[in-house]
Order: sequence, then structure tokens, then C-alpha cells
Amino acid sequence: SQTIHQWPATLVQPVGSPLSLECTVEGTSNPNLYWYRQAAGRGLQLLFYSVGIGQISSEVPQNLSASRPQDRQFILSSKKLLLSDSGFYLCAWSMGTEAFFGQGTRLTVV
Amino acid sequence: GNSVTQMEGPVTLSEEAFLTINCTYTATGYPSLFWYVQYPGEGLQLLLKATKADDKGSNKGFEATYRKETTSFHLEKGSVQVSDSAVYFCALSEDNYGQNFVFGPGTRLSVLP
Repeated sequence: SQTIHQWPATLVQPVGSPLSLECTVEGTSNPNLYWYRQAAGRGLQLLFYSVGIGQISSEVPQNLSASRPQDRQFILSSKKLLLSDSGFYLCAWSMGTEAFFGQGTRLTVV
Repeated sequence: GNSVTQMEGPVTLSEEAFLTINCTYTATGYPSLFWYVQYPGEGLQLLLKATKADDKGSNKGFEATYRKETTSFHLEKGSVQVSDSAVYFCALSEDNYGQNFVFGPGTRLSVLP
């Protein structure tokens, strides 16, 4: 069966520090991969999606970037975090008809 | 573009009350429709789905019917429990390429004992 791993679960980082969140999927090949952000009390905002290795689409201009170095690995990065980057980050995968989510990373930028 | 609108809440109910969370959508084609649930501190879990008009998705006592004529997918449960307290997201996916998931803003439900 397919599983999705996302880590770390929580992270506290100072303003200006770099960020790297990792997501891996097991049990499937060539999935579509997504990064979402959920700000406190708000809905989901799609940040990036990828339909294949090295193929990244960005939905909103921002301080973040994404990479897909391997078929089932999706990384969310930042060179310098801002306070406004705080939130709950969710990785997801799909093969078309529905999306499956990781457990999320709670990022607090201080 | 595609969009999903749902009542934002918060919704507060007493245990055993009837629940309705409204969801309407806008899509250019024939989307699949979903309800996801997010328990505190966790990721989203698929609650139910419907892939074509008049389909009814159901799970854990929750139901939603795909109404093409009203472009709606309202979530209902006849008798809520305290354990149903969570945030509920309505979503659509229009194609099989997968990059076209659109989520509503989420509705926070609190069920009081």
C-alpha cells in the first residue's frame, strides 16, 4: 500500500534562517506531488505541484522553492525565512482522482 | 477558474444534533468531489468522495450527494459525536492529471457533550 512520510513534525526557526522540509512517498511510481500551506485559522493554499522529476509548478510568488530530485521525493526550501512563512505545511500525492496527505509540519518562525 | 465555496463556520453543535455543511463549486468540466477531514494537529484524511452526478459518497455516518444541477456537494450527518470535532474541507479535482485539486476554506466543527 502507498504511504507518505513528511518530516519534521514541528520546527521552530529564526527569521533569516534556511528551511528544508522533506516528503517521500512509498508504494507508487510517478505520483503527482503537492505542497500546501495552511495559515492559522485558514484554508489550504497550494504552493507547488510536480508531475515528474525536475518538473515544478508554482502557484503563488513567494519566499519558498520546491524541488523533486527523485520520483518520490519532494522538498520544500527557503534560503531565508520570514515571519510570514509560519504555518502548517502539508505534502500530498495523487494519481489523479484523489489526494493523500502527510501528517504535516508545524513551522514557527521566530 | 475552478473554485469551491463552503460555509466557514465555526459551527458549534450539541452531541446528537444534525449536521449540514454546505459546499458549492464552479468548474468548467465534470469534476470529482471530495470531503476531507482534518483532526487537530494532523494532516487531511479523505472522508468521502463522488465522481459523477447523483453519486452519493458515505463514510462514518457522513453523506454527501453530487448535485450537478445545483453544483453542490453538501455534507450531512444525522447525529454528530464529540469525536467529529474537526475541520472539514470540500474539494474538487477536475481531471486525471491530478494537478487541479481545489479546496474550499474549511469549516471548523465543534461538538459539545
